[in-house]
Amino acid sequence: NAGVTQTPKFQVLKTGQSMTLQCAQDMNHNSMYWYRQDPGMGLRLIYYSASEGTTDKGEVPNGYNVSRLNKREFSLRLESAAPSQTSVYFCATGGLAASTDTQYFGPGTRLTVL
Amino acid sequence: AQTVTQSQPEMSVQEAETVTLSCTYDTSESDYYLFWYKQPPSRQMILVIRQEAYKQQNATENRFSVNFQKAAKSFSLKISDSQLGDAAMYFCAYRSNAGGTSYGKLTFGQGTILTVHP
Repeated sequence: NAGVTQTPKFQVLKTGQSMTLQCAQDMNHNSMYWYRQDPGMGLRLIYYSASEGTTDKGEVPNGYNVSRLNKREFSLRLESAAPSQTSVYFCATGGLAASTDTQYFGPGTRLTVL
Repeated sequence: AQTVTQSQPEMSVQEAETVTLSCTYDTSESDYYLFWYKQPPSRQMILVIRQEAYKQQNATENRFSVNFQKAAKSFSLKISDSQLGDAAMYFCAYRSNAGGTSYGKLTFGQGTILTVHP
């Protein structure tokens, strides 16, 4: 039982390059989330998926796209990376029922855009 | 929109002493959850404690307890008998339970860095 996994752990991109961050969970949770963490700002929600087949924008969606491939996987894509997207990215999962309202986080991906 | 504020960027405590981390939030909702997450240098986000807004009793988890003041919109974390392993960044977070487009999403505060001195 791996919980929430993210790949890669580290990535360096040049401005304008594209890449996809992968997230997978084996917790059978319906909802999945992508957050970014910048110094002094806490975590901010980029996109989320309440269930397979649905995605919605969060607080800071510009410059990103997401795909909920199936119940287990939720990917985040940067089409044309910018230095402002240098950050640590976290994937999280959680249920919507009161008994499963805790979100569980992956280990994060540290992305640097030069 | 909900906001969460942690007014203490850094706190320090002596090992075995008690420390309290502050958190305030702003919301017009009555049904929500509040959380404290711990982030050690490994960056892993670890749930410390959670509180349901409809429960008046303050949540406790071993050495961790909260002081939840709903009317004041305050949610502080008390760590008793502090240990070196408690050193980390601590985040306060809000989660609506009201349904609609905000359902399930966490809103985080800026974080408080806790240092534990031996």
